[in-house]
Amino acid sequence: QVQLQESGPRLVKPSQTLSLTCTVSDGSINGDSYYLSWIRQPAGKGLEWIGRVNTGGRTLYNPSLKSRLSISLGTLRLSSVTAADTAVYYCARLYSMGGEDRLDPWGQGTQVIVSS
Amino acid sequence: SSELTQDPAVSVALGQTVRITCQGDGLRYYSVTWYQQKPGQAPILVIFGENHRPSGIPDRFSGSKSGSTASLTITGAQAEDEADYYCNSRDFTGNVIFGGGTILTVL
Repeated sequence: QVQLQESGPRLVKPSQTLSLTCTVSDGSINGDSYYLSWIRQPAGKGLEWIGRVNTGGRTLYNPSLKSRLSISLGTLRLSSVTAADTAVYYCARLYSMGGEDRLDPWGQGTQVIVSS
Repeated sequence: SSELTQDPAVSVALGQTVRITCQGDGLRYYSVTWYQQKPGQAPILVIFGENHRPSGIPDRFSGSKSGSTASLTITGAQAEDEADYYCNSRDFTGNVIFGGGTILTVL
């Protein structure tokens, strides 16, 4: 069964770049309809979709984050961070086909705090 | 609307049936997926493609969609179903969005 694990620094200073890695246990992001996706969740709040990438490097980003965001297979980079970017960051395998999206499974998440 | 709207909180008596709804214009064109999240845990997929359950999800969970409204129904709610539930789909421009989440309390 595929497993995903996020890793990266817990604390990032304002204006710096947040970099996170997602390790996939068996490489099962292969296939035209499979992507690696990132989602975040501020404490006590709901889920926010960040973006996705496939093995071919094809990406799709949340428009609200696009100007600061770069996702490659296994890595998320978010620049010019502020306190508003403090959240638990999850990676998940995404199946997307014909207007249907399915995030399964998810990693356990990693807490990122933006603070000086 | 570019949002998915959920009731913030819903409660159900143990063993009874509860429906959690999700409204959004994009639901007319795109499929809906539902996730369950318990405190301190990552979300898990409970319903995809409106009404399909992944393996391992009890059959008391079901889904439906009509027009711009989707529903997650738990028939015979159990104590372990107490969690936050999120719907997920696209807005009318195709961007991926989540609903704000519904806190389910099992009484």
